[in-house]
Amino acid sequence: GAGVSQSPRYKVAKRGQDVALRCDPISGHVSLFWYQQALGQGPEFLTYFQNEAQLDKSGLPSDRFFAERPEGSVSTLKIQRTQQEDSAVYLCASSLAGGPLDTQYFGPGTRLTVL
Amino acid sequence: KQEVTQIPAALSVPEGENLVLNCSFTDSAIYNLQWFRQDPGKGLTSLLLIQSSQREQTSGRLNASLDKSSGRSTLYIAASQPGDSATYLCASFLTGGGNKLTFGTGTQLKVEL
Repeated sequence: GAGVSQSPRYKVAKRGQDVALRCDPISGHVSLFWYQQALGQGPEFLTYFQNEAQLDKSGLPSDRFFAERPEGSVSTLKIQRTQQEDSAVYLCASSLAGGPLDTQYFGPGTRLTVL
Repeated sequence: KQEVTQIPAALSVPEGENLVLNCSFTDSAIYNLQWFRQDPGKGLTSLLLIQSSQREQTSGRLNASLDKSSGRSTLYIAASQPGDSATYLCASFLTGGGNKLTFGTGTQLKVEL
């Protein structure tokens, strides 16, 4: 079956623009995670959903970042008024249940460049 | 806050060599420790997962060990091949830390012919 897909794969935005990044998790996966990976660094946790409920958003760096998963499947990460420091690869992962025994399956990421 | 460090940051070895990648973490209250592989332009692939009660896990040419008391894990790759070239990341899942992985900065491995 299909893995986790993300779109667009690459996004260039001018500073101040709003962007929306999409994640399609593996069908049937209850949990969905967003991570931000800066150049040369490991991924850092942003937020976590179980079905449509956002259970943890402690990693979102500012109120310009907003994530939703309204129907418990596809998720969108929105960044308002983008800044240069938002440039990074945004990774989405899904897992069957979400606990520590579950493997998280990662998508290829969206590379965001803010000019 | 959990801090995960990986040494070395980059490594280049000739084909066939055995090698060890190191991962250290500051908070030993981990639920598990995972090793991932990341290829350019692709997502992360889980390689090995070691539960906190385990000492090691093996998969093919890969062996990962865990020493919670010293806050260390190692990934051993036997008989390295050019196809092993990638960035290797370790990540911990903290007990009571919510459903999130804390990643290290990665080791970029290049295996040369």
